[in-house]
Amino acid sequence: SQTIHQWPATLVQPVGSPLSLECTVEGTSNPNLYWYRQAAGRGLQLLFYSVGIGQISSEVPQNLSASRPQDRQFILSSKKLLLSDSGFYLCAWSAGGTGNTIYFGEGSWLTVV
Amino acid sequence: QKEVEQNSGPLSVPEGAIASLNCTYSDRGSQSFFWYRQYSGKSPELIMSIYSNGDKEDGRFTAQLNKASQYVSLLIRDSQPSDSATYLCAVTLSGGYNKLIFGAGTRLAVHP
Repeated sequence: SQTIHQWPATLVQPVGSPLSLECTVEGTSNPNLYWYRQAAGRGLQLLFYSVGIGQISSEVPQNLSASRPQDRQFILSSKKLLLSDSGFYLCAWSAGGTGNTIYFGEGSWLTVV
Repeated sequence: QKEVEQNSGPLSVPEGAIASLNCTYSDRGSQSFFWYRQYSGKSPELIMSIYSNGDKEDGRFTAQLNKASQYVSLLIRDSQPSDSATYLCAVTLSGGYNKLIFGAGTRLAVHP
């Protein structure tokens, strides 16, 4: 069966510091990968999605970036965090193609102070 | 215009009642529709997917889709306190890739 893991689960970072969140998927190959963010009391906002290694589409212009160095690894990064970057970050995967269910990792709580 | 719209609630129902959650979407070409449940502080988990007009039943849950009206709903029969959560409607946008857009969610509270 397929599993998805992301880490760290919780982090508190000062403004201006860098960020790296990592996500891996097991039990499948060539998945679509996604990063979503959920601000407090808000809906899920799609940040990035990837259909293959090195193929990243950005949905929202911001100081975040994503990379996919391996087929089942997805990384969310920032060089300098802003207060507004605080939120619940969710990595997700789906089978390749369209119309497929998206499954979420456990999420990472980021507080920028 | 928001791509996926839901009433934020809270929707309060007594235990044992039917809870009805509604969602509208703007992309007329959307073909895939999903309902997720999210408990406070947790990641969303899939309840149901629906792809064709009509009803789809799974246990106490029934999803209803009307593409002509761009409307999808979720019925929860015999609601339980454990059903209290935020329910997220999600729609795959047309365009040849699996881009899933979420509504803001409806908070459901089931009281004993």
